[in-house]
Amino acid sequence: DIQMTQSPSSLSASVGDRVTITCRASQGISNSLAWYQQKPGKAPKLLLYAASRLESGVPSRFSGSGSGTDYTLTISSLQPEDFATYYCQQYYSTPLFGQGTKLEIK
Amino acid sequence: QLQLQESGPGLVKPSETLSLTCTVSGGSISSSSYYWGWIRQPPGKGLEWIGSIYYSGSTYYNPSLKSRVTISVDTSKNQFSLKLSSVTAADTAVYYCARDLSGYSGYEPYGYWGQGTLVTVSS
Repeated sequence: DIQMTQSPSSLSASVGDRVTITCRASQGISNSLAWYQQKPGKAPKLLLYAASRLESGVPSRFSGSGSGTDYTLTISSLQPEDFATYYCQQYYSTPLFGQGTKLEIK
Repeated sequence: QLQLQESGPGLVKPSETLSLTCTVSGGSISSSSYYWGWIRQPPGKGLEWIGSIYYSGSTYYNPSLKSRVTISVDTSKNQFSLKLSSVTAADTAVYYCARDLSGYSGYEPYGYWGQGTLVTVSS
């Protein structure tokens, strides 16, 4: 089974900061990786898929990169509405989500 | 605009079967080639994929739940359903229904989600 390790589990940052969240798979997943944003009491929202493809309507400050086993989500300039929990998800095999990263205001 | 809405009992007794339905509006399950899925999230915890179904009835299940899960589709009602048998307190979670991006496989990411429904397992 593929395992996903997401880091950090929490992160404090300020508006305007650049932040990076990492997801590592236990084996190669051929860019079959998605990123979601979830706000309290709401369903997850798809941000990126295929590691780097931006979902329609998602601001361009969100970007994804990586290959093989290591992937990153970058938010280039944090906005107030970006404070949320972020999850990666591999879909190379049985879908599995990372543990989540809670992004909080510093 | 595609919308999904979960419905079903909010409280289920241990050892019984959890049953939820997802009603799709703004699009037809049978006329579009997508997979429709179920994902759950225990309170304060992360997301777990349960399984997915194609409009034709083809299914994929999470191996960790496969022995207890059945997902079915009713195209005449534009609904799909989840049944999870022999529930325990560990099955307490918010359950989401969702539609995938492309219908390419049963594993694709989900671009449309319902609002979720909390199901508590307790006597």
